[in-house]
Amino acid sequence: DAMVIQNPRYQVTQFGKPVTLSCSQTLNHNVMYWYQQKSSQAPKLLFHYYDKDFNNEADTPDNFQSRRPNTSFCFLDIRSPGLGDAAMYLCATSSKSEKLQETQYFGPGTRLLVL
Amino acid sequence: DQQVKQNSPSLSVQEGRISILNCDYTNSMFDYFLWYKKYPAEGPTFLISISSIKDKNEDGRFTVFLNKSAKHLSLHIVPSQPGDSAVYFCAAIVIGAQKLVFGQGTRLTINP
Repeated sequence: DAMVIQNPRYQVTQFGKPVTLSCSQTLNHNVMYWYQQKSSQAPKLLFHYYDKDFNNEADTPDNFQSRRPNTSFCFLDIRSPGLGDAAMYLCATSSKSEKLQETQYFGPGTRLLVL
Repeated sequence: DQQVKQNSPSLSVQEGRISILNCDYTNSMFDYFLWYKKYPAEGPTFLISISSIKDKNEDGRFTVFLNKSAKHLSLHIVPSQPGDSAVYFCAAIVIGAQKLVFGQGTRLTINP
């Protein structure tokens, strides 16, 4: 089945220790997104890639970086995680060519715990 | 500035009855609206969507209604089933802008 896959599902890191979360997709979508979701809050967009073009949200901290080496994979790098970065991180994809269908499809998320 | 609002943080409905989840938005530029369902420890699952050129879209037990003049949309689930218990997020987007704006979510509980 075509899908969005996130690994790992749970990630524990130490305060200040760099961590990388990964996302892959078999949908062949040209847009990939990273969201941060904290308890009882709406998902918050961090950035997205439209093909190779990186689009950062204005309020995304510099501590968060992303890489998209090819269409299928996208990584979220947190350079120096703080306690406030503990959250669920959601990857999503969409197809820009489907003009009337801007549906984003989400992966299962990676829950990050910072000790 | 919260452009998409779900004013009810929780809703409890008896099994077999209709569940109605509401969502309001402020940005008149939004032209595509979506509902997502989220179980604990999982990512949001796409449920149903509606374009601004329509006022109703139906898919099985799920119907979404859009009232553009009131900037209001609602999701109807009938009949409600225990497996519908989840958090429901309303989301909106300006087609081409790539940025999905979510509401805060409504936790729906279906009681047997």
